[in-house]
Amino acid sequence: GENVEQHPSTLSVQEGDSAVIKCTYSDSASNYFPWYKQELGKGPQLIIDIRSNVGEKKDQRIAVTLNKTAKHFSLHITETQPEDSAVYFCAASKTGNTPLVFGKGTRLSVIA
Amino acid sequence: NAGVTQTPKFRVLKTGQSMTLLCAQDMNHEYMYWYRQDPGMGLRLIHYSVGEGTTAKGEVPDGYNVSRLKKQNFLLGLESAAPSQTSVYFCASSVTGGNTEAFFGQGTRLTVV
Repeated sequence: GENVEQHPSTLSVQEGDSAVIKCTYSDSASNYFPWYKQELGKGPQLIIDIRSNVGEKKDQRIAVTLNKTAKHFSLHITETQPEDSAVYFCAASKTGNTPLVFGKGTRLSVIA
Repeated sequence: NAGVTQTPKFRVLKTGQSMTLLCAQDMNHEYMYWYRQDPGMGLRLIHYSVGEGTTAKGEVPDGYNVSRLKKQNFLLGLESAAPSQTSVYFCASSVTGGNTEAFFGQGTRLTVV
């Protein structure tokens, strides 16, 4: 089955700097790659996703890139703000009944 | 619009006791999931359902049972709780399969002593 590896497990950046979180996946049939943000005491919430037919997607300060050949995808957050501090999860899945498989998460701390 | 609601939010159980966690969604989603979240382990899938009356095992199903008698509800049962089941449990739902957005509940923090 699918295996998703996520790095780093913790990340600290200064406010205004960029943050990058990377994930790799094992199943070449996977075609959907979402990113979730989990704030303290809450459930994860989708912030951006990308499908295998595109290489990059951007939404304001966040962007995701996908390299299908290398089977890795990354989350980029620019101009980080204290409210970006949270745990971020990447995930992968494919068409059909197969549920999402999540990475182990990255705890991002933005230092003011 | 409530989304996904989990009951209860907190619970302490003694080893060997049983309990049921309730998940309710009001979005008419076909798919529902139960995950557990432990430090350093991410979100691990316990069981899931692809529609009313169906259930399937996930990555860590041992010690848990589930039922989906109504489309809007997905119940997670612990028949004989063990300390290893101390965790935060999240329910989620999605319109169709894993390649659509999953909506998560607020979580249930369970402690087994």
